[in-house]
Amino acid sequence: QVQLQESGPGLVKPSGTLSLTCAVSGGSISTDNWWTWVRQPPGEGLEWIGEIHHNGGTNYNPSLKSRVTMSLDKSKNQFSLELTSVTAADTAVFYCARQYTGDDAFDVWGQGTMVTVSS
Amino acid sequence: QTVVTQEPSFSVSPGGTVTLTCGLSSGSVSTSYYPSWYQQTPGQLPRTLIYNTNTRSSGVPDRFSGSILGNKAALTITGAQADDESDYYCMLYMGSGISVFGGGTKLTVL
Repeated sequence: QVQLQESGPGLVKPSGTLSLTCAVSGGSISTDNWWTWVRQPPGEGLEWIGEIHHNGGTNYNPSLKSRVTMSLDKSKNQFSLELTSVTAADTAVFYCARQYTGDDAFDVWGQGTMVTVSS
Repeated sequence: QTVVTQEPSFSVSPGGTVTLTCGLSSGSVSTSYYPSWYQQTPGQLPRTLIYNTNTRSSGVPDRFSGSILGNKAALTITGAQADDESDYYCMLYMGSGISVFGGGTKLTVL
């Protein structure tokens, strides 16, 4: 079965760029699924960041769109998130997830990775 | 910008039934919003309960059900158990590839 694992720096400096990768195991990333990033600031709710498809399609949260870039590497079976110009407000647990084929919900979640923005 | 609304908190007695709702600050929720529901206990990753309004995710007991009630999406838990005490989030598809989570409902079982 498909498993997802986030990785990346746990600490990013203000004004810097947050970069995370989600490794997909147990299945191919080149399926008819959207691959998604969700974040959760400490003590707060979930926020949908955006999604990417292996055909190159992307959709981003309008409130983050100017700072977000998602990419996908078929050879490594992984997808990535970049968030620029970060501030303390971007401190959160970041989850990657796979969307059900043809449905707007998630059937597989990564364990999540905590990223702190601090100098 | 349309906001997805949820009750901040709710309580239910063990064995009781509770219905959590998911609405819009402007407009009505319909099946076209493909509402989904997630359960999260503190420190854990979210668990998908319901998608496409009323389809239970694999392994989710039939005590959990989804529906549209009036102008909102709804998650009903029947026969509430102590380990149902969690945060519950809904998510709606807003069109143009964009999804939005609600603020979450903290459910207490007591």
